[in-house]
Amino acid sequence: KQEVTQIPAALSVPEGENLVLNCSFTDSAIYNLQWFRQDPGKGLTSLLLIQSSQREQTSGRLNASLDKSSGRSTLYIAASQPGDSATYLCAAPTNTGNQFYFGTGTSLTVIP
Amino acid sequence: DAGVTQSPTHLIKTRGQQVTLRCSPKSGHDTVSWYQQALGQGPQFIFQYYEEEERQRGNFPDRFSGHQFPNYSSELNVNALLLGDSALYLCASSSRQFGSPLHFGNGTRLTVT
Repeated sequence: KQEVTQIPAALSVPEGENLVLNCSFTDSAIYNLQWFRQDPGKGLTSLLLIQSSQREQTSGRLNASLDKSSGRSTLYIAASQPGDSATYLCAAPTNTGNQFYFGTGTSLTVIP
Repeated sequence: DAGVTQSPTHLIKTRGQQVTLRCSPKSGHDTVSWYQQALGQGPQFIFQYYEEEERQRGNFPDRFSGHQFPNYSSELNVNALLLGDSALYLCASSSRQFGSPLHFGNGTRLTVT
């Protein structure tokens, strides 16, 4: 069974700071990994999908990396803004692709 | 291009009752998955449907059942509700293409009293 862990559980940074969120997974036989954002009481918004053949994926101020051999992914947020405040979740699928395992998320607060 | 839509947004039920939640997938998607998210936790996989059949199931009891219709929309049914079923229920859609990303709706908040 895939187990996904996210560290730290919570993070508070001043506006403008660059930050890194960590995600680790136990089964490296994944073919992709997806990062999501969740605002309080809302659904999940897809941020980035990294295929196993890729090492990095970028969208605007976000950059996600994937290292299957070490079972780790990171989400880098550049020049953080108060609007980035949310919970960030990573999800890794089973090798059949039918079921995604989620971490418990990192709650990010960006202080103006 | 409509994304994933779920209804209702909120629901309050009493223990022992039954509930039906609904989901319409994103345009172009034929696969629907349901997840349960307890407060402060990550989503937990309930089951996945495509071609109107349940294809994989997570560690949830038979009280949780589902259905997919020919237009790819889906329902999640929960019987004999327990207090512990209170959660945010999320529907995710995707295409059958290997490695396709999940797209989520805004969820249904179920409260069991």
